[in-house]
Amino acid sequence: AQTVTQSQPEMSVQEAETVTLSCTYDTSESDYYLFWYKQPPSRQMILVIRQEAYKQQNATENRFSVNFQKAAKSFSLKISDSQLGDAAMYFCAYRGAGNMLTFGGGTRLMVKP
Amino acid sequence: EAQVTQNPRYLITVTGKKLTVTCSQNMNHEYMSWYRQDPGLGLRQIYYSMNVEVTDKGDVPEGYKVSRKEKRNFPLILESPSPNQTSLYFCASRPGLAGLNEQFFGPGTRLTVL
Repeated sequence: AQTVTQSQPEMSVQEAETVTLSCTYDTSESDYYLFWYKQPPSRQMILVIRQEAYKQQNATENRFSVNFQKAAKSFSLKISDSQLGDAAMYFCAYRGAGNMLTFGGGTRLMVKP
Repeated sequence: EAQVTQNPRYLITVTGKKLTVTCSQNMNHEYMSWYRQDPGLGLRQIYYSMNVEVTDKGDVPEGYKVSRKEKRNFPLILESPSPNQTSLYFCASRPGLAGLNEQFFGPGTRLTVL
């Protein structure tokens, strides 16, 4: 079974600075999909960014980008120009051929004004 | 508005009292699933359904039942709840099985079993 590990339970960043959240996963599959979800205090799960494993180019969505290292099985999220509204739990998730979405344990991001 | 709805949003119950959490989506999605969220463990899949009358177990199915009689509804049933089922529950749906399809989540149901 696939596992997803987020080694940083908590992170903090100064407003307007850049922060990187780590995610590693374990899989024997060659074709799969990776996601980052944001969960603000409202508890709503919001898709931030997604990446297809066969695409070498790193995905980017405005201030959010990923560093996808397939050989290292690493999928980190970089948030640039951090804003107070970025404060939330962030979950990394993996979907392979089995279609099940497997989540990491989450990283709580705090943004300091 | 395209959405996944869950009811109730909050529920406090006692051990052994059967309960149902409803889930409905208005996007005509084939795939629906249930997750539970616990601190440090992220979200874990309980059950999923690829279409009407097709359901299968996820990672943590013990103590739960589901049914998919209509495409839009996917209720989660706890026949005899126990305190270890105290958790935050999410229903989700997505259109078909294409891997990059976005999964849409409901607002969550906070369940406490005393």
